Amino acid sequence: DAGVIQSPRHEVTEMGQEVTLRCKPISGHDYLFWYRQTMMRGLELLIYFNNNVPIDDSGMPEDRFSAKMPNASFSTLKIQPSEPRDSAVYFCASSHLGSYGYTFGSGTRLTVV
Amino acid sequence: RKEVEQDPGPFNVPEGATVAFNCTYSNSASQSFFWYRQDCRKEPKLLMSVYSSGNEDGRFTAQLNRASQYISLLIRDSKLSDSATYLCVVAYSGGYQKVTFGTGTKLQVIP
Repeated sequence: DAGVIQSPRHEVTEMGQEVTLRCKPISGHDYLFWYRQTMMRGLELLIYFNNNVPIDDSGMPEDRFSAKMPNASFSTLKIQPSEPRDSAVYFCASSHLGSYGYTFGSGTRLTVV
Repeated sequence: RKEVEQDPGPFNVPEGATVAFNCTYSNSASQSFFWYRQDCRKEPKLLMSVYSSGNEDGRFTAQLNRASQYISLLIRDSKLSDSATYLCVVAYSGGYQKVTFGTGTKLQVIP
């Protein structure tokens, strides 16, 4: 089991640029989550999908953020345009309904300068 | 009031000590509870679920108090490798697909 795979591990970009984060969930998991973690706010749920369909995006901070899940094995989180306050670690996690807890990816550490 | 609250710590304890963390939650309809562990600059990992009757996993004991709306984690015989941040997690609506994480309690075990 390869686990949840995220890319890139680190991203440094300039303010105003578009950033795309990628996630491959564990095969067979039907839920996928995007979280953001900062020292000040902890782990915040941005959006989650069930069977590739977005269920709750109320945590997406603003229209600059968008997420897609075109198929069961891939999801993207896009920020356009990026701002310095978007700097954080972004985690993707997946789970299977009925299982206990989530499996997180290693995260993408985003720095916007 | 935050949905899930934890004392951020840090808790600095000597090796071999017993340490306990509490976590309070605000929604009385909460149904599922977990403890996650997060090492520095790593992803959170599930440590254990918390059952109504309480449960143990080796040196770790988790308990739930629904009346007072808190869960606890007890670590006996602390090891240096227990140093991490412990996140309390509460799930609502009976599902595991959406949970709320606490901001974590940092534990530092000292030689």
